[in-house]
Amino acid sequence: AQTVTQSQPEMSVQEAETVTLSCTYDTSESDYYLFWYKQPPSRQMILVIRQEAYKQQNATENRFSVNFQKAAKSFSLKISDSQLGDAAMYFCAYAGNNRKLIWGLGTSLAVNP
Amino acid sequence: DTGVSQDPRHKITKRGQNVTFRCDPISEHNRLYWYRQTLGQGPEFLTYFQNEAQLEKSRLLSDRFSAERPKGSFSTLEIQRTEQGDSAMYLCASSPGNGRGGNTEAFFGQGTRLTVV
Repeated sequence: AQTVTQSQPEMSVQEAETVTLSCTYDTSESDYYLFWYKQPPSRQMILVIRQEAYKQQNATENRFSVNFQKAAKSFSLKISDSQLGDAAMYFCAYAGNNRKLIWGLGTSLAVNP
Repeated sequence: DTGVSQDPRHKITKRGQNVTFRCDPISEHNRLYWYRQTLGQGPEFLTYFQNEAQLEKSRLLSDRFSAERPKGSFSTLEIQRTEQGDSAMYLCASSPGNGRGGNTEAFFGQGTRLTVV
């Protein structure tokens, strides 16, 4: 079975600084997708960034980028120039052949002014 | 299109009562998913539909839980004889299909928070 592990329950960063959230996963599938979702206190899940496993290039979305290490099954999220609005729970998620999402436990990110 | 909508946003019920939640996905999306999220945890998969067909159910989904998606549009999740352990946020998500790239993205509703007292 596929699993997703986020080993950092809480992280904090100073406004305008850079922070990296860690995620590892386990799977025997070759075709899969990895995601980072953000869940603010309002609790609606919002997609931050997506990575297709067959792509070697790391995904980037504005201030958000990933470091995808397929052999190591690692998928970390880097947030540059952190803003107060980035404060939220961040979930790493895996989607395999059936496209259902397998989730990590989340990392609570605090942004300090 | 206003995205995925869920109704109600909050539900308080007495133990033993039945409750039903509704999810309206984004109109052109074929896939619809239900997840459950308890405080401090990541979401857990419950079930999903491809159009009107329910393709997979989690072992978490006991016999008290039933989900439907008539005509492949909106979906309902019913919990019979609710228990305190059912208290959670129930999230609905939809996605375009099972293709590559953007078709894998799931869009979430705001969830229904269930409290069983």
